[in-house]
Amino acid sequence: DAKTTQPNSMESNEEEPVHLPCNHSTISGTDYIHWYRQLPSQGPEYVIHGLTSNVNNRMASLAIAEDRKSSTLILHRATLRDAAVYYCILRDVINTDKLIFGTGTRLQVFP
Amino acid sequence: DAGVIQSPRHEVTEMGQEVTLRCKPISGHDYLFWYRQTMMRGLELLIYFNNNVPIDDSGMPEDRFSAKMPNASFSTLKIQPSEPRDSAVYFCASSLFAGGPETQYFGPGTRLLVL
Repeated sequence: DAKTTQPNSMESNEEEPVHLPCNHSTISGTDYIHWYRQLPSQGPEYVIHGLTSNVNNRMASLAIAEDRKSSTLILHRATLRDAAVYYCILRDVINTDKLIFGTGTRLQVFP
Repeated sequence: DAGVIQSPRHEVTEMGQEVTLRCKPISGHDYLFWYRQTMMRGLELLIYFNNNVPIDDSGMPEDRFSAKMPNASFSTLKIQPSEPRDSAVYFCASSLFAGGPETQYFGPGTRLLVL
């Protein structure tokens, strides 16, 4: 599976936007970009995914670079409940049934 | 739907004892995954099933670990004998399909402590 690189930690204030970056320079044409997050003492939960175009859902937005070698998860207004570890994962559309988790970015949100 | 259900939520046992973790996937999901999470190694996939059949068990640490899925609504992960280094949080996840864009839904986990 292609590797992703994320900052270990980030901080934000409540109600401010948060941009969580992910580098995936070895991404292949058949890799989806997935984001999951893990709240304290809970299992991971799906946030968003995309292939080439930017994506929006009720939780977040995903901005994908034109060359697909990087992406950014955008939380438009961070809340205290958004404090979690955010994982950026590449997943081949055909060959991979697995999710391979890296170390993720620990997001702290301050009131 | 109640989501993925795991039991017990917490387990404390002594070294050498048998431990059985249980998982009920979301109804209708064909894929079931077992993960382990530790501070040192993060989240690791242990094994996964498709239609009750084990597909890939390459992540199972050693012969002390075994997993079964006797039917579509139940799976177990067994550790026999348990060791202190098995202490971790064990997650079960399920998905409708696998690969590509398909979402995995995780249970709340079982926190295992082996003394």
